[in-house]
Amino acid sequence: GENVEQHPSTLSVQEGDSAVIKCTYSDSASNYFPWYKQELGKRPQLIIDIRSNVGEKKDQRIAVTLNKTAKHFSLHITETQPEDSAVYFCAASYDFGNEKLTFGTGTRLTIIP
Amino acid sequence: KAGVTQTPRYLIKTRGQQVTLSCSPISGHRSVSWYQQTPGQGLQFLFEYFSETQRNKGNFPGRFSGRQFSNSRSEMNVSTLELGDSALYLCASSPSSGTYGYTFGSGTRLTVV
Repeated sequence: GENVEQHPSTLSVQEGDSAVIKCTYSDSASNYFPWYKQELGKRPQLIIDIRSNVGEKKDQRIAVTLNKTAKHFSLHITETQPEDSAVYFCAASYDFGNEKLTFGTGTRLTIIP
Repeated sequence: KAGVTQTPRYLIKTRGQQVTLSCSPISGHRSVSWYQQTPGQGLQFLFEYFSETQRNKGNFPGRFSGRQFSNSRSEMNVSTLELGDSALYLCASSPSSGTYGYTFGSGTRLTVV
């Protein structure tokens, strides 16, 4: 089955700097890659996602890049703010046949004011 | 539009007992998936229901079961509870079969003592 590895497990950055979180997946059939943000005591919330036919997607300060050949995808957050502090999870799935998300182990991002 | 509603929010049970958790999806969503979240194992897929049929099942023992009703509401049951079943149980709904457009509920925090 699919296996998703996520790095780093913790990340601290100065407010205003950029943060990058990286994930690799094992199943080349995976075609959908969402990112979730989970604040303490709250539900995971989808912040951005990308399909395998797209190499990059951006939404304001957040962007995701996908390298299908290397089977890795990354989350980029620019101009970080204190409210970006949370745990971020990457995930992968093969829609149209295996409808479940395989999650990475999470990255605890701390923004230092 | 109401989000995904999970009840109860918190639950304390004794080892050996059984428990039933409930999930009401977003109106119009027909797919409900369940995940277990623990500090050690992260987010693990339990099962997915679509149109009252279980379409996919994760690697959990048979003590974990579920069902979906005609109004798309879903229940999850765990029998013969073990200490290791203590976790946050999350359900996610999506408009159709698949992981695209997942919205998570706030979860049920189950503690087994």
